[in-house]
Amino acid sequence: EVQLVASGGGVIQPGGSLRLSCAASGFTVSSNHMNWVRQAPGKGLEWVSIIYSGGSTYYGDSVKGRFTISRDTSKNTLFLQMNSLRAEDTAVYYCARWYDSGGLAPGAFDIWGQGTMVTVSS
Amino acid sequence: DIQMTQSPSSVSASVGDRVTITCRASHGFSQGVSSYLAWYQQKPGKAPNLLIYAASFLQSGVPSRFSGSGSGADFTLTISSLQPEDFATYYCQQGNSLPLTFGGGTKVQIK
Repeated sequence: EVQLVASGGGVIQPGGSLRLSCAASGFTVSSNHMNWVRQAPGKGLEWVSIIYSGGSTYYGDSVKGRFTISRDTSKNTLFLQMNSLRAEDTAVYYCARWYDSGGLAPGAFDIWGQGTMVTVSS
Repeated sequence: DIQMTQSPSSVSASVGDRVTITCRASHGFSQGVSSYLAWYQQKPGKAPNLLIYAASFLQSGVPSRFSGSGSGADFTLTISSLQPEDFATYYCQQGNSLPLTFGGGTKVQIK
């Protein structure tokens, strides 16, 4: 079965760090473009970061310089290292695959993890 | 950044109704997002679910009552005959350029 399972969320104080994980099954993380998308309580969806199959990484302006996306091929797992956390980072964090038929078609997030909640509070 | 604007922000409808949601892409003098537009459905406490990709292509397993249209800057999601399981929030999202951006969402509620 193709699925993503996110973990690692929790309650953390402002300025703290947290690492989220997203374990994939049914497909290979390193062969796909993988993302983190977040949703603050009662709010809409916000794209956070992408790691392309080739290894390039990009970030949204609100997390640039504080968050790092990475992957472990041996574990078939995606990560998000979050440093210098702020109250406005409080959200459910989803991992998601961006699928674009190898660049042949407009892509979309076709597989999503169940989400993991991060609460930044003192 | 490309801004995605959805309307309406909420709509009340009955089972069997036809529901249309619009999404507009804006970014300075750009020509829009071509067909790099997707639609998602999200139910409370759940992850979003892909409905439409490339503006008008139905994702596998999605009922045919859902359809998408448009290109460039203006897009539409239509539910031809609303079913009880369709009450949810719908988001458009552009994939033309980074940062990937979503519309603010449209909540479809029971009338």
